[in-house]
Amino acid sequence: QKEVEQNSGPLSVPEGAIASLNCTYSDRGSQSFFWYRQYSGKSPELIMSIYSNGDKEDGRFTAQLNKASQYVSLLIRDSQPSDSATYLCAAYPDSGGGADGLTFGKGTHLIIQP
Amino acid sequence: EAGVTQSPTHLIKTRGQQATLRCSPISGHTSVYWYQQALGLGLQFLLWYDEGEERNRGNFPPRFSGRQFPNYSSELNVNALELEDSALYLCASNSLGVNPAAFFGQGTRLTVV
Repeated sequence: QKEVEQNSGPLSVPEGAIASLNCTYSDRGSQSFFWYRQYSGKSPELIMSIYSNGDKEDGRFTAQLNKASQYVSLLIRDSQPSDSATYLCAAYPDSGGGADGLTFGKGTHLIIQP
Repeated sequence: EAGVTQSPTHLIKTRGQQATLRCSPISGHTSVYWYQQALGLGLQFLLWYDEGEERNRGNFPPRFSGRQFPNYSSELNVNALELEDSALYLCASNSLGVNPAAFFGQGTRLTVV
């Protein structure tokens, strides 16, 4: 059973601070990892992809991957109230063909306090 | 470039009825994935269609079915609706061989009463 685990939160962070979101996955065959942002009642929006161990930065977002620990994280710097949303972590087996789709965590609800 | 489009945005059905949801992928994408997002359960993989064929399905009963048309658009059918089928149904498309990250449509909110 492939699982992606996230703390459901809510995670409350003051405006301007760094928000740190974490995710663990069970399938060691997972090769690709994604972070989605989902506002209430809306569909998920892809914000970060990471495939190799280490850090990947894109603007205010940094994704971190540690395959040995089966751990993925997302850092949001200079948090803004508009960052308040549910963040979904997803893993992909990359076994060739996309047979299983993405495996999603249940998401972490992030609240940025003005 | 148009993104993934889904219709209808909202659908209300009575228990036991059938629901039909539609999805048009991004132009050039041949794969369509259907996901269910029920309250408290997170996003669950439902079905994968590619090149007109059902390639895989998640852990859902056979009353969840669908098809993909020659233009790569897709239809999800849910028969004998149950109250617990109430959820946001999301369609995503991608093109095999490139970034597997899926691009989602805006979803169909299905409510079974």
